[in-house]
Amino acid sequence: DVKVTQSSRYLVKRTGEKVFLECVQDMDHENMFWYRQDPGLGLRLIYFSYDVKMKEKGDIPEGYSVSREKKERFSLILESASTNQTSMYLCASQNFRGIEGSPLHFGNGTRLTVT
Amino acid sequence: AQSVTQLGSHVSVSEGALVLLRCNYSSSVPPYLFWYVQYPNQGLQLLLKYTTGATLVKGINGFEAEFKKSETSFHLTKPSAHMSDAAEYFCAVSSNTGGFKTIFGAGTRLFVKA
Repeated sequence: DVKVTQSSRYLVKRTGEKVFLECVQDMDHENMFWYRQDPGLGLRLIYFSYDVKMKEKGDIPEGYSVSREKKERFSLILESASTNQTSMYLCASQNFRGIEGSPLHFGNGTRLTVT
Repeated sequence: AQSVTQLGSHVSVSEGALVLLRCNYSSSVPPYLFWYVQYPNQGLQLLLKYTTGATLVKGINGFEAEFKKSETSFHLTKPSAHMSDAAEYFCAVSSNTGGFKTIFGAGTRLFVKA
C-alpha cells in the first residue's frame, strides 16, 4: 500500500518566518504534488514535480517554492509566511508509468497557522 | 481548460436513504474522472475512477458513479447511507493532455442523520 507521509500534522508559525513542509512517499512514484485546501475552494494546486530536480508551477504558486532533491521527497517552502497562507496543505504522489488515469495518493495533511 | 462543479456544498440524508452527490465537469478532451473521500483529520482517499470502458463504475464502500458524456456528469450514488459515510467528497478530473494536473471540485460535505 502506498504511503505518503507529511512530517507535521499541525504547525504554528509567525508572520515572516521561513517554513518548510516535508513530504515523503515510499512507492517510487514519479510525480509529486502540493495542494492547499480551503473551505469552499476545494484543493488548489501549488506546485508539482515529475522528476528529481524538476518542478512546475501549479495554479497558485505565489509565495511558495519547492525542492525535490530525491525522488521520494518533495518539500514545500514558504519563503516568508503570511497570514493568508494559513491553510491545510496536502501532499500527493502519483504513479505515471504510462498508466491511464493514475489516481493521486495523499498524505494526511499539515494544518498550518500563521499568526 | 478543465473544470469541475459540485452542486451543493452540503448534503444531508437519513441513515438508510439514497445518497446522491452531483458532479459536472468541463473538458475539451476525453477526461479521467475521480471521486475522493476525506474523513475528518485525514487526507483524501480514492473512492472510484473512470478512465475508459464501462460507464458505470463501482467503488469502495458500496459507492458507484456513472459517466454520462452527453450530460458531462459523473454523479456519485449509494443506495443506502450509513453513519460512517459522513465525510467530505471531492470530484476531480484529469486527462492525458492535462500536463499531469488533476483539477478538483469545491467538495460536498455529506451529513448522515440517525
